[in-house]
Amino acid sequence: AQSVAQPEDQVNVAEGNPLTVKCTYSVSGNPYLFWYVQYPNRGLQFLLKYITGDNLVKGSYGFEAEFNKSQTSFHLKKPSALVSDSALFFCSVRYSSGTYKYIFGTGTRLKVLA
Amino acid sequence: DSGVTQTPKHLITATGQRVTLRCSPRSGDLSVYWYQQSLDQGLQFLIQYYNGEERAKGNILERFSAQQFPDLHSELNLSSLELGDSALYFCASSVDDRRNTEAFFGQGTRLTVV
Repeated sequence: AQSVAQPEDQVNVAEGNPLTVKCTYSVSGNPYLFWYVQYPNRGLQFLLKYITGDNLVKGSYGFEAEFNKSQTSFHLKKPSALVSDSALFFCSVRYSSGTYKYIFGTGTRLKVLA
Repeated sequence: DSGVTQTPKHLITATGQRVTLRCSPRSGDLSVYWYQQSLDQGLQFLIQYYNGEERAKGNILERFSAQQFPDLHSELNLSSLELGDSALYFCASSVDDRRNTEAFFGQGTRLTVV
């Protein structure tokens, strides 16, 4: 079955430290990969997406993600975390199965500590 | 402000009823996406329309339907409502679904079924 996994429900990181939010997937074909963020009491926002090309994708708010085909991973990273980065992050995959389908991970709550 | 407008912001209705959620995409965006976010099932993709045509379909129940009108606004119809349909319903829009397009989300409609 096609799936997306975010193995950590919560990630805690100190302000100024690098952060990583993990995502792995299991889908057939060549998927599109996405990261979204949901700030407290606000809607979803698109962060970045990977379709093809350079494995390192840069997105909004200084976030970037690294696509690793052999490990079927698409981890979200930021070199230096800010308290304001604290939010809920979702990884998503688009794959083709007759028609296009999108699936989401369960979300990872990032808490950046001052 | 993302430029995507969803109405109403809140909706309370009884089981068995039918409701319509409306989404106005950003000016010039041809694609509209619908998502459901609930505590039980997390974030799920429901359906995508592109310029009036269905482009992708996710875990959308048969009791639910959607359409995109010639002016590109979209409506999500939920019928025979059940308590489990209580959720936050997001709409997003993008110019198209190709490589360099970003999706912008509305603030969501919070549906409570009592």
